[in-house]
Amino acid sequence: QVQLVQSGAEVRKPGASVKVSCKAAGYTFTDYYLHWVRQAPGQGLEWMGWINPNSGGTNYAQKFRGWVTMTRDTSISTAYMELDRLKSDDSAVYYCTRSEVGSGSFGDLDYWGQGTLVTVSS
Amino acid sequence: QSALTQPRSVSGSPGQSVTISCTGTSGDVGDYDYVSWFQQHPGKAPKLLIYDVTKRPSGVPDRFSGSKSGNTASLTISGLQADDEADYYCSSHAGSYTLLFGGGTKVTV
Repeated sequence: QVQLVQSGAEVRKPGASVKVSCKAAGYTFTDYYLHWVRQAPGQGLEWMGWINPNSGGTNYAQKFRGWVTMTRDTSISTAYMELDRLKSDDSAVYYCTRSEVGSGSFGDLDYWGQGTLVTVSS
Repeated sequence: QSALTQPRSVSGSPGQSVTISCTGTSGDVGDYDYVSWFQQHPGKAPKLLIYDVTKRPSGVPDRFSGSKSGNTASLTISGLQADDEADYYCSSHAGSYTLLFGGGTKVTV
């Protein structure tokens, strides 16, 4: 069955960076965009961007351009999201989720990872 | 870009219907038929309920339905059940293959 399994919780100091992984299973990794969405405590969902695992092409939300990097390793069906220069308000649960490439739809995020809690604290 | 506008909360009794609105602009909801709706229970990942304004993924009950008029999309939950108590989020294509979420609506049954 389709699964997106994320890495465990992280604690970082302000100014540091964090890299979260998302391992895909149960489907062809390169057939689906991998999106990253975050949710601060008690807040709503915020879209960060996507990576096309086939080409490696990325598309970041304007807010995150210059400080987020999304990569992938197709040999192990794993996507990564790295966020630099962390601030306390980057503390959030970070989710990976997928949508089908070339489906004619956009935003149909049908499977989600379990989420990774990132805490930024001095 | 600002988040899409949703009411903070709606409520209804079991068996009733509730409708959640999601208001955007001509640059997102108004321009694209790529509106999705998600349900999120506390401590859980979101679940896709509706995509492309009106389509339901397999396994989602037909009690959940979506529509759109102009810059506002709507999610209607019919035959409200206790398990429908959750947070609901809309999203829309916002141009250049970017996504924008709504602020979320808490549904109380």
